[in-house]
Amino acid sequence: DQQVKQNSPSLSVQEGRISILNCDYTNSMFDYFLWYKKYPAEGPTFLISISSIKDKNEDGRFTVFLNKSAKHLSLHIVPSQPGDSAVYFCAASAGSNYQLIWGAGTKLIIKP
Amino acid sequence: KAGVTQTPRYLIKTRGQQVTLSCSPISGHRSVSWYQQTPGQGLQFLFEYFSETQRNKGNFPGRFSGRQFSNSRSEMNVSTLELGDSALYLCASSLAGPLGGNTEAFFGQGTRLTVV
Repeated sequence: DQQVKQNSPSLSVQEGRISILNCDYTNSMFDYFLWYKKYPAEGPTFLISISSIKDKNEDGRFTVFLNKSAKHLSLHIVPSQPGDSAVYFCAASAGSNYQLIWGAGTKLIIKP
Repeated sequence: KAGVTQTPRYLIKTRGQQVTLSCSPISGHRSVSWYQQTPGQGLQFLFEYFSETQRNKGNFPGRFSGRQFSNSRSEMNVSTLELGDSALYLCASSLAGPLGGNTEAFFGQGTRLTVV
């Protein structure tokens, strides 16, 4: 039973346009969410996070939106750049539980 | 400062053998977590260690074990290897406190294990 789901295995976006990556979760106890980016042959790197007390967090070109009632979060990248091509993972945790639950990842391809 | 270091980077083992992977966290980080990444499965949590104690464990069989030393370095061991154990094994370190809380995790480059 996947508690964190990224239903799109891949996404192709034109350079300069907006990339929207989606993530759904089932566990209502999750209260902290993170997005990581992974290039081939490298470990994931932290991008942005959001606590359940917020519904939006921005960092430069990256914005994460959280809809608690829908148990859905999304990562917006504006404008998309070629260097954004990577696999994006969302992850969630619940309170003092030290375990991060990860989605399967979405491969983002930015077309020139 | 140096990042998370995992050794070896690549490993080929035969079914039935055992393997030990090593992870050196960022200096000062006391929490080390291990993950398995396979195509289409994302990152599966194996276990997390903090101050030499296993704090949390994922849903993997007992063939997968780990430990952490007093210098926070961690090792992961897989015994009686199976073909399905072929994967990228990632280690992540973070400062004291919950890995999934407000503490960012830093990942190593991983060890690519191939079981033949």
